[in-house]
Amino acid sequence: QQQVKQSPQSLIVQKGGISIINCAYENTAFDYFPWYQQFPGKGPALLIAIRPDVSEKKEGRFTISFNKSAKQFSLHIMDSQPGDSATYFCAARPPGTYKYIFGTGTRLKVLA
Amino acid sequence: DGGITQSPKYLFRKEGQNVTLSCEQNLNHDAMYWYRQDPGQGLRLIYYSQIVNDFQKGDIAEGYSVSREKKESFPLTVTSAQKNPTAFYLCASGQGAYNEQFFGPGTRLTVL
Repeated sequence: QQQVKQSPQSLIVQKGGISIINCAYENTAFDYFPWYQQFPGKGPALLIAIRPDVSEKKEGRFTISFNKSAKQFSLHIMDSQPGDSATYFCAARPPGTYKYIFGTGTRLKVLA
Repeated sequence: DGGITQSPKYLFRKEGQNVTLSCEQNLNHDAMYWYRQDPGQGLRLIYYSQIVNDFQKGDIAEGYSVSREKKESFPLTVTSAQKNPTAFYLCASGQGAYNEQFFGPGTRLTVL
């Protein structure tokens, strides 16, 4: 119940296309859902985050869509660029804790 | 220049030796974390600390030890009891209502 399942494991998208990464969870009490971007050999960087009372949040080309009833949330990268090629992690926070549950990551490659 | 620093960037250790990884933050965050990342895998929590002089085991604490004597510092010792220590180690700190986590650049530890 504490897992976050992320898919796909890897993704190849053409430049200018839309990249979509999905995460599913079981614990309906999770109260915060961030996404991280990690380049090879670097630490993850916080990209965008959403609360469960919001259905969508957009920051530039990055959008989180949140479906509370389906217990799913997704990251959409519009107009994907080669510089977006990285590994993306979703995460979820059990309420009242200092810990996050991380997905297993999606390796995105955007072809020029 | 605020942020999280980890040193060294690369570390080589002989089997049977203990080694300490440094993590310092000047973000004035209360919480700090250590994660382990193996190739193609997600982030696994080793230890975390909510306040000075207090810390809790994460999911894979065996073979590791930490201390939190100062708010800005959270060193991790990888002991000889850790059977497979070769990995990428990430330190993070967190603050705020949802304790968003911010990561350092990582230390790559290789056991020879």
